[in-house]
Amino acid sequence: GDSVTQKQGQVTLSEDDFLFINCTYSTTTYPTLLWYVQYPGQGPQLLLKVTTANNKGISRGFEATYDKGTTSFHLQKASVQESDSAVYFCALVESPPNYNVLYFGSGTKLTVEP
Amino acid sequence: GPKVLQIPSHQIIDMGQMVTLNCDPVSNHLYFYWYKQILGQQMEFLVNFYNGKVMEKSKLFKDQFSVERPDGSYFTLKIQPTALEDSAVYFCASSHWGTSQNTLYFGAGTRLSVL
Repeated sequence: GDSVTQKQGQVTLSEDDFLFINCTYSTTTYPTLLWYVQYPGQGPQLLLKVTTANNKGISRGFEATYDKGTTSFHLQKASVQESDSAVYFCALVESPPNYNVLYFGSGTKLTVEP
Repeated sequence: GPKVLQIPSHQIIDMGQMVTLNCDPVSNHLYFYWYKQILGQQMEFLVNFYNGKVMEKSKLFKDQFSVERPDGSYFTLKIQPTALEDSAVYFCASSHWGTSQNTLYFGAGTRLSVL
């Protein structure tokens, strides 16, 4: 079945550092891949999504692309700020017909130190 | 932005008792979801619900689980009876359309502790 693997459980950076978080996925369909961000005390909220391999999703200074050849999906930001500290989840949703289920990675807790 | 509210934020219950988790979805949304997250693990899909019916459910959605949204009120997840392995954070979500067509909005979760 479909799955998403997110191996980086925790990442600690300093302000203005470069962020790179990677996920790998497994699916037999043509998925949409997403990144969610969860701030303390809140539910996950959509950060960005990429519907086609090799296309780029951009939001709030974050970028994401997915590589169908390596079945990997990454999130990056050129210069992180303390306010970016949160948990970041990658997720996959299949193309129809089974498109009503999100498969999540286990999350990467990002801590940005001043 | 749109908000999904979950009540309560934390529920402690004895094993074998019934529990109802409440979700107030975004007002014009049509699809509703429950996800389960055991501490340190990924969020996993339980069930989605549309037009008064369960559309899909996972193997985690045991026979002891049920969902409903009577008359447009709260979307609820009921567990009867509860078991120790039901301890987790339960996230409710809603969307206007199905998952791939629109954004899911999540609540902050209800932490269920079964003793």
